[in-house]
Amino acid sequence: NAGVTQTPKFRVLKTGQSMTLLCAQDMNHEYMYWYRQDPGMGLRLIHYSVGEGTTAKGEVPDGYNVSRLKKQNFLLGLESAAPSQTSVYFCASSPGSGNQPQHFGDGTRLSIL
Amino acid sequence: LAKTTQPISMDSYEGQEVNITCSHNNIATNDYITWYQQFPSQGPRFIIQGYKTKVTNEVASLFIPADRKSSTLSLPRVSLSDTAVYYCLAGERDYKLSFGAGTTVTVRA
Repeated sequence: NAGVTQTPKFRVLKTGQSMTLLCAQDMNHEYMYWYRQDPGMGLRLIHYSVGEGTTAKGEVPDGYNVSRLKKQNFLLGLESAAPSQTSVYFCASSPGSGNQPQHFGDGTRLSIL
Repeated sequence: LAKTTQPISMDSYEGQEVNITCSHNNIATNDYITWYQQFPSQGPRFIIQGYKTKVTNEVASLFIPADRKSSTLSLPRVSLSDTAVYYCLAGERDYKLSFGAGTTVTVRA
């Protein structure tokens, strides 16, 4: 039972570098989400997707891009990393039918120097 | 999307019941109330969801009064392993939910 898998688990970047975080789910869920969690601020929604080929902005989308080319995968990209993007990133998925709970991965800890 | 307010932290001892009250004064007709639990270095995990009255599962109970402007998560007979952050969310659709800072529950021996 893999559920939601995030890759990588840890990463250190230098300012200006780019990278892509991968999220994969094996539950055939329609909806997928990317959050960031900073100390004392809970989780904030970056982008989300309600189906393959669709994406939408969340609460804090600036500096990030996403793609959902395959239903099971949701990619989060940082084109030019900034220290303010140092955070723990969580991916989640949900069935998308009604008020179904979200299933979360264990996060990617990203540090931008 | 209803804004929720919950205590920042709560302390308890093993074996006690912990009740966390969440305020959601502007909850809409179609909004559900959902609670998640998060342990350090892990993603949040769904605990319980309800619309009105009372919901109970093997982990917790959720009490929602008739006006639905608040809700109370009840954790019976907590143990050290229940130490975590608990989030209350109120919304119609999952993808517009907003997680606040949550309530840090610390259970002591």
